[in-house]
Amino acid sequence: EADIYQTPRYLVIGTGKKITLECSQTMGHDKMYWYQQDPGMELHLIHYSYGVNSTEKGDLSSESTVSRIRTEHFPLTLESARPSHTSQYLCASSIRDTQYFGPGTRLTVL
Amino acid sequence: GEDVEQSLFLSVREGDSSVINCTYTDSSSTYLYWYKQEPGAGLQLLTYIFSNMDMKQDQRLTVLLNKKDKHLSLRIADTQTGDSAIYFCAESFSGAGSYQLTFGKGTKLSVIP
Repeated sequence: EADIYQTPRYLVIGTGKKITLECSQTMGHDKMYWYQQDPGMELHLIHYSYGVNSTEKGDLSSESTVSRIRTEHFPLTLESARPSHTSQYLCASSIRDTQYFGPGTRLTVL
Repeated sequence: GEDVEQSLFLSVREGDSSVINCTYTDSSSTYLYWYKQEPGAGLQLLTYIFSNMDMKQDQRLTVLLNKKDKHLSLRIADTQTGDSAIYFCAESFSGAGSYQLTFGKGTKLSVIP
């Protein structure tokens, strides 16, 4: 069983605010991922990291940014939230192929 | 490019078997996965199968892989109401330093009491 945590679980915020979604794992996994999940259930990879100081954009263009200063921590930041950012955000980590997911953050931007 | 296809909905009666199907296009996949997502939660790894295997069984779950047809299925025996969830099929490619998964769009399983 994986130990991967996301905070907050739910966030309702006004347009224009800066937000940071936290993701931490205690398994020492070097690879971490952020997915955006739309209401139609489909998962979209928006960012990934294969190690400290390494970050890449995923398949879906996103206005968010990420950082990877520590192995266990992979926060996602939105500088100015908009209603179009309303979604479920899922964080995952892996050693090789098999990814383990956190519980997700449900973001609503009013 | 890689593509993973699943039917979007499946409805079964409690106690019956459920079979969720998935097709994929890339024959070089390394592992194939089934994840379960309950409402408001993240994805839970259910089971996975290495690409050189044909079948894997784990309690009520049976995974069948037909490499020739690029077809993966998940059978849930004696389906319970707690099995109601969205099930995602995914494939991985451990090539060229990539460790990304390609997911299907998910199959929503509804179990009728």
